[in-house]
Amino acid sequence: SAVISQKPSRDICQRGTSLTIQCQVDSQVTMMFWYRQQPGQSLTLIATANQGSEATYESGFVIDKFPISRPNLTFSTLTVSNMSPEDSSIYLCSVEELKGANYGYTFGSGTRLTVV
Amino acid sequence: QQQVKQSPQSLIVQKGGISIINCAYENTAFDYFPWYQQFPGKGPALLIAIRPDVSEKKEGRFTISFNKSAKQFSLHIMDSQPGDSATYFCAARLSNSGYALNFGKGTSLLVTP
Repeated sequence: SAVISQKPSRDICQRGTSLTIQCQVDSQVTMMFWYRQQPGQSLTLIATANQGSEATYESGFVIDKFPISRPNLTFSTLTVSNMSPEDSSIYLCSVEELKGANYGYTFGSGTRLTVV
Repeated sequence: QQQVKQSPQSLIVQKGGISIINCAYENTAFDYFPWYQQFPGKGPALLIAIRPDVSEKKEGRFTISFNKSAKQFSLHIMDSQPGDSATYFCAARLSNSGYALNFGKGTSLLVTP
């Protein structure tokens, strides 16, 4: 399986500021996904990021708040902009790996964000 | 809306017992059903997955049972151990590549000594 390095692992930020989360994969992948997981909750998809195209956002998430970059097949960033305490959450990147006729999804270890 | 419904929300099982977590879905276009295990402070890790053309898949102590007609699938953890205490998520994916997983709400499992 792909190995995902996600940085930072945690951060405490002041409201009104922005944080950029990095996701580095050790192999080339087409599909990358960004999720949010609020404490004790399930994973909610923020957006899908394909290399070379604009990210596709889910309902309730907008590009101005969560801009995403996908400059190549091994890297992506998610920025949480103009943060408020409601943005305190775990942010996870995930990749889809195609292995012949099979596929699987691997997750990074997440970025635990606290906004004060 | 929640496309995958998971139950129970929490589960307490004695060591050596069988843990059973259930999931149900409505969308027949789902074609891939994984289970993830998540420990506090960690990302979800794939446990086992199944396709709808298979009714059961077993890997070690973990078994997925899949009922296509009922649109239900379940995770069985045999001989549950305290180290299995974690949150478990079922998920489903629409057919065709490029789609993200839809997750259930999760089940917090506690295995007591």
